[in-house]
Amino acid sequence: DQQVKQNSPSLSVQEGRISILNCDYTNSMFDYFLWYKKYPAEGPTFLISISSIKDKNEDGRFTVFLNKSAKHLSLHIVPSQPGDSAVYFCAASAFGNQFYFGTGTSLTVIP
Amino acid sequence: DAGVIQSPRHEVTEMGQEVTLRCKPISGHDYLFWYRQTMMRGLELLIYFNNNVPIDDSGMPEDRFSAKMPNASFSTLKIQPSEPRDSAVYFCASSSRSSGQSSYNEQFFGPGTRLTVL
Repeated sequence: DQQVKQNSPSLSVQEGRISILNCDYTNSMFDYFLWYKKYPAEGPTFLISISSIKDKNEDGRFTVFLNKSAKHLSLHIVPSQPGDSAVYFCAASAFGNQFYFGTGTSLTVIP
Repeated sequence: DAGVIQSPRHEVTEMGQEVTLRCKPISGHDYLFWYRQTMMRGLELLIYFNNNVPIDDSGMPEDRFSAKMPNASFSTLKIQPSEPRDSAVYFCASSSRSSGQSSYNEQFFGPGTRLTVL
């Protein structure tokens, strides 16, 4: 039973444009959300997070939006760069150290 | 810091054989996690330890899977006997909880072990 879902397995975007990656969750107890980025043959690395008390968090070109009523979060990358090409995992947690991850979205930024 | 170290990076074995995956967490981290990555299910948590004690092993798929953490700097994930459906990438991650900080701590992942069971 997948509590965190990423329904788009892949996404292609032109360099310089905005990339929007989406994530849905089912557990209303989740109060902390994260995005991880994964390059081939490497482990995932932390990218950005957001607490449920916020609806937006920015870090440079990366912004995460949280819509609690819709149980939806999204990651915006502006402007997209070829080096952003990777698999992005959404994760969620409820009051603890255990993270529930989605299936990932493979982003390709076309030069 | 060398980060989380996993070995081997690649493992090819035949069905029925025992497979042992190894992990060395980041020094000072008190949480250790084992994940499995598949196309269908993404990153699944198999088991996690706190201070070398298993806390939640509900993600371990079957009795064929077992994990140990004999000390703070070493953990193993064993599959016996292995089956073709166990083929996946297995990740180890570690994190720490410091007093006074958020209880949500970044997990640092190792490079993974790609397991192929023929």
